[in-house]
Amino acid sequence: DADVTQTPRNRITKTGKRIMLECSQTKGHDRMYWYRQDPGLGLRLIYYSFDVKDINKGEISDGYSVSRQAQAKFSLSLESAIPNQTALYFCATSAGAIEPQHFGDGTRLSIL
Amino acid sequence: RKEVEQDPGPFNVPEGATVAFNCTYSNSASQSFFWYRQDCRKEPKLLMSVYSSGNEDGRFTAQLNRASQYISLLIRDSKLSDSATYLCVVNTGSWGKFQFGAGTQVVVTP
Repeated sequence: DADVTQTPRNRITKTGKRIMLECSQTKGHDRMYWYRQDPGLGLRLIYYSFDVKDINKGEISDGYSVSRQAQAKFSLSLESAIPNQTALYFCATSAGAIEPQHFGDGTRLSIL
Repeated sequence: RKEVEQDPGPFNVPEGATVAFNCTYSNSASQSFFWYRQDCRKEPKLLMSVYSSGNEDGRFTAQLNRASQYISLLIRDSKLSDSATYLCVVNTGSWGKFQFGAGTQVVVTP
């Protein structure tokens, strides 16, 4: 079983819909991250959380929100999806500030 | 200027040859450095951490040059399976945020 699991793997939806992407992990890491990846660009940080009570905005948080329901679960919501949010979304975890990140399989999101 | 910059490539490499490429970073306070491999539209996978003394893992060698603020990756005896995009990842301080390069594409040809 994957250590970092994202659901759904693929989603096609319409402009204006609310969408939730979920991430769960069995690695026991406190730190969790949400990124998006667009062609030709590096991964860009949307939100990150260092523990259940800690939520922080990344460089591109506008239009997104998150919830850290438990140490193992970190969900990303698009309250009202727009086409330029079409991207590949990754969840990642890390054991510490200078430790490497471990990624889920990604969610391919298309907004029409 | 981007915080982490990579040559996008592609680097076209004959099978069995050696290829090397660099990644520059702008934050002199960066403390940890990594190379990830990403296959097309899949998740990045950790290839290796980069240590100050340099480190080697089989056919892969990583170096860190703090004075010039770059890291490098060298692949020896390239295999067809090494074809991928290699992402440079740098942490931006002691509190655990990372910056990603856009990646260097390597294509190994028969």
